[in-house]
Amino acid sequence: KQEVTQIPAALSVPEGENLVLNCSFTDSAIYNLQWFRQDPGKGLTSLLLIQSSQREQTSGRLNASLDKSSGRSTLYIAASQPGDSATYLCAAKGDSGNTPLVFGKGTRLSVIA
Amino acid sequence: KAGVTQTPRYLIKTRGQQVTLSCSPISGHRSVSWYQQTPGQGLQFLFEYFSETQRNKGNFPGRFSGRQFSNSRSEMNVSTLELGDSALYLCASSLISLLRGETEAFFGQGTRLTVV
Repeated sequence: KQEVTQIPAALSVPEGENLVLNCSFTDSAIYNLQWFRQDPGKGLTSLLLIQSSQREQTSGRLNASLDKSSGRSTLYIAASQPGDSATYLCAAKGDSGNTPLVFGKGTRLSVIA
Repeated sequence: KAGVTQTPRYLIKTRGQQVTLSCSPISGHRSVSWYQQTPGQGLQFLFEYFSETQRNKGNFPGRFSGRQFSNSRSEMNVSTLELGDSALYLCASSLISLLRGETEAFFGQGTRLTVV
């Protein structure tokens, strides 16, 4: 059974700092891995999707990497801004594609101005 | 292009009542999944529908049910509400293509259900 872990649960950084959020998964047979952002009381906003055959994806100041052999993904945020403050969730989908997303519990990020 | 729309946004119900939540997926998306989010358990999968058929079901009691219509809109129903059903219910839609398989999931804003 796939389990997804995100450490740390909470992170506070000063504005302008580069930071890395971690996501680990127990079953390396994944179809894809997706990073989301969630603001308080809101739904999830998709940030990046990495297919199992890819090593990384980039969008603006965000870069996500995937290492299936070690069961890890990282989300790199460059030059953090107060508007980046939110909870970041990663979710892994099993390799058949016909399986649900399994979510970590998220990392709550606070960027201090 | 409109995103995933969930209605209503907020609901307050009494224990023992039943509730129906609605989800309209992104146009062209035929896969709709439902998740329950609570502070203690995080996001937990309820069920997924594709072309009006339930493809997957999570580990929830039979009080939780769903369906999908021919226009891909989906509803979930919870009967005999319990206090522990209070949660944010999220719906996601995704595109299934022969070439690319299942693409990224897009979520709605959720329905906040409070059971008193």
